[in-house]
Amino acid sequence: AQSVAQPEDQVNVAEGNPLTVKCTYSVSGNPYLFWYVQYPNRGLQFLLKYITGDNLVKGSYGFEAEFNKSQTSFHLKKPSALVSDSALYFCAVKAGSYQLTFGKGTKLSVIP
Amino acid sequence: DTGVSQNPRHKITKRGQNVTFRCDPISEHNRLYWYRQTLGQGPEFLTYFQNEAQLEKSRLLSDRFSAERPKGSFSTLEIQRTEQGDSAMYLCASSLSGTGGAINSYTFGSGTRLTVV
Repeated sequence: AQSVAQPEDQVNVAEGNPLTVKCTYSVSGNPYLFWYVQYPNRGLQFLLKYITGDNLVKGSYGFEAEFNKSQTSFHLKKPSALVSDSALYFCAVKAGSYQLTFGKGTKLSVIP
Repeated sequence: DTGVSQNPRHKITKRGQNVTFRCDPISEHNRLYWYRQTLGQGPEFLTYFQNEAQLEKSRLLSDRFSAERPKGSFSTLEIQRTEQGDSAMYLCASSLSGTGGAINSYTFGSGTRLTVV
């Protein structure tokens, strides 16, 4: 069975500071990893994915994530946070099947 | 193509009533998924179609739930005899089977928020 853990329910960061949203996963086989963002009462918007290749993945809106196989982590990062980045962030994993398994989400609040 | 479309956006229904939701995926996507998201949780997989064939159903999908994709294009999710516990956001996603970077891209709709009163 595959699973995802997002250990922080909420992350607060000051505008302009770097942000990190943590994600660890557990799968059998090679993982495909994803980050999505959700704004209130909206669906999920794709940010980035890791399939294979470079461990550092760059995505939408200046976000990036680093795949670390030994630590089974896929943390989301951004060098300089914007107030508009405030939202709910979900990490997801797919391995050997077609369904995505999501974490519980991390609420990011960027403080002006 | 404007992405994955879901209708209605919101549905309020009385307990015991039947409801039906519709999802129109990206036209060239042959895979379609339904997920359910409750407050404070991540989306949970419900069911999956490849073309018109329903290939997997989660144990979360009780007998009161049924999904169809009759022509391999749009899909419907019906809930019969709704219960308060069915209140959630129902999300539809689509993707394209195969290999390569463009594959494994799941596009989600904006969801249908169901409230059972």
